[in-house]
This record gives sequence, structure tokens and C-alpha cells, in this order.
Amino acid sequence: AQKVTQAQTEISVVEKEDVTLDCVYETRDTTYYLFWYKQPPSGELVFLIRRNSFDEQNEISGRYSWNFQKSTSSFNFTITASQVVDSAVYFCALPQGGSEKLVFGKGTKLTVNP
Amino acid sequence: DTGVSQDPRHKITKRGQNVTFRCDPISEHNRLYWYRQTLGQGPEFLTYFQNEAQLEKSRLLSDRFSAERPKGSFSTLEIQRTEQGDSAMYLCASSLGDSWRGETQYFGPGTRLLVL
Repeated sequence: AQKVTQAQTEISVVEKEDVTLDCVYETRDTTYYLFWYKQPPSGELVFLIRRNSFDEQNEISGRYSWNFQKSTSSFNFTITASQVVDSAVYFCALPQGGSEKLVFGKGTKLTVNP
Repeated sequence: DTGVSQDPRHKITKRGQNVTFRCDPISEHNRLYWYRQTLGQGPEFLTYFQNEAQLEKSRLLSDRFSAERPKGSFSTLEIQRTEQGDSAMYLCASSLGDSWRGETQYFGPGTRLLVL
């Protein structure tokens, strides 16, 4: 069965620092997708990125970047020059094999202090 | 583009009462999902619909829980005889797809339930 591990429960940084959130996953599927979502204090899960297992290129979107390494089953997320508005809980997820059911990690709570 | 909406946003009820939540997906999305999230945890899958058909249910969905999507548009999640352990955030999501392709699920703001 799919499993997602986010070992960092809480991270606290000062504004403008770079921060990396780790995600390690387990799957027996040869084709799979990985997701990151952001959950600010308001509670709504905001979609950040979807990555196909065939595409191992790193992705950059503004201050956000993602490092996908199939060899280590990791899909890490880096925020460059963090801002207070980045404070949220971040979840990594992947679908259960052959299903649309998403399996989430426990999340990493990021606090960016001014 | 209107996102996923949920109603109510907050619900406080007494143990033993029935509650019903509503979810309106993004208009063209044919798939609709319900998840439950407790404090400090990631969302856990409850059930999902493709159009009006309920295709998968989690073992978390006890007999007291029922979900419907009668016309393939909005969905309702009902909890009968609520228990304190039902206190959680109930999240709805929707996506567009016809086969398994790991489509992106877009989430609503959630309904926060507190059972006293």
C-alpha cells in the first residue's frame, strides 16, 4: 500500500531564509503521481504541484521548487526567501494504486517569523 | 472560475444528533471526494463519486455515515447519531477525469464539526 512520510513535524524559520520540506514515499506502482498541498490557518487545502513519476526534472515556480528523486523515493519542496505568508501546514500526497484516493503524509507545519 | 464550496463552514452539535454537510464541486468536474481530517493529521479518504455513482468507500465510513450525489452535481454527507469521535474537519474535493490518471483534486474550505 502507498505510504507518505513527512518526518519534519514543525519547522520554524526567520523571514528570507530558505527552507526545505521533506517527503518520502512508498509505492509498488511503476507509474504514479505525487502532489503537494498547502493548508493555511483558514483550513482550505491549496493545490501546489502535481508530478508524474516519469518526469524527474526539477520544477521551479517563483520562490517554490521541487526536487523529485526516484532513486530515493523523495519529492522535496523548497521555498526560497521565505515570507510570513508561507506559514502553513504543507502536505505531500500520492494516489492509492489504481485509485483516485489520495494518501497524505501527516504534514509539516512551517512557521515563518518576521 | 468558482471553486469547490462547502456548507456549513462550522457545525456544533450534541452527541446523538444527525448532521448533514453539503459540497458543490467545480461545475465541470465529474468526480467528487470526501475526506476527514483530525487535528495534527493529514486528510483521510472517506468516499468518492464519479458522476452519481459512489465508486469507493473507506472502512472509516461506518454505517452511521452516508453520502449521496443524486444528480451528479452537489453531494451531501450525513452523519447519524453523532459521537464525540466524529469531531473533525470534513473536506470535499473535485476533479475531472474518466480513467485513473492521478487527476488533481481541488479542495473546498471544509466543514469543521464539533460534537459536544
